[in-house]
Amino acid sequence: QKEVEQDPGPLSVPEGAIVSLNCTYSNSAFQYFMWYRQYSRKGPELLMYTYSSGNKEDGRFTAQVDKSSKYISLFIRDSQPSDSATYLCAMSASGETSGSRLTFGEGTQLTVNP
Amino acid sequence: ETGVTQTPRHLVMGMTNKKSLKCEQHLGHNAMYWYKQSAKKPLELMFVYNFKEQTENNSVPSRFSPECPNSSHLFLHLHTLQPEDSALYLCASSQRGSQETQYFGPGTRLLVL
Repeated sequence: QKEVEQDPGPLSVPEGAIVSLNCTYSNSAFQYFMWYRQYSRKGPELLMYTYSSGNKEDGRFTAQVDKSSKYISLFIRDSQPSDSATYLCAMSASGETSGSRLTFGEGTQLTVNP
Repeated sequence: ETGVTQTPRHLVMGMTNKKSLKCEQHLGHNAMYWYKQSAKKPLELMFVYNFKEQTENNSVPSRFSPECPNSSHLFLHLHTLQPEDSALYLCASSQRGSQETQYFGPGTRLLVL
């Protein structure tokens, strides 16, 4: 079983739609949860960073973490064609003993159609 | 230059060649990472350096040899690679202890023939 499960898509939505991207995980030690966005032929860029459970909002983006269900989500409101990219979830445990390891999901490819 | 840069951006090599990938970060970070990104697979951490010291080697074959001469530069030396090593190789950096916020370079697209 993979430590982090993410539906690879592809996901295609019309402009203006609300997009929901999700990841599930199995390691209860994970405390830090990240979403990266990767455009074609580019490296991933950090989009959202959340510690422990709860919600975090940044403009049109909202990250949710439900540690009891081991489930994280990224919502994109009023999606734009410029949001078309692959979205990667990533997570890590806390403390020095965890080393420097981020565990990534496979990535979900999103296309927003004008 | 800003952020994390990688050269070359594209590389084609035969299985008997020796080549090197270069990464440079301009962010004042002290931890650097090499990742492998293959199609339909999650990013795979290969190596981690903290303050120029290798702190993690994720069971990477010896045909990949990292080098970190200082906190700003990271190399990945390649020799006798296999076709299955074809992938996007990504470099990242962060402050030590803040691995959650890593900044990635654009990657080197490697094709092994």
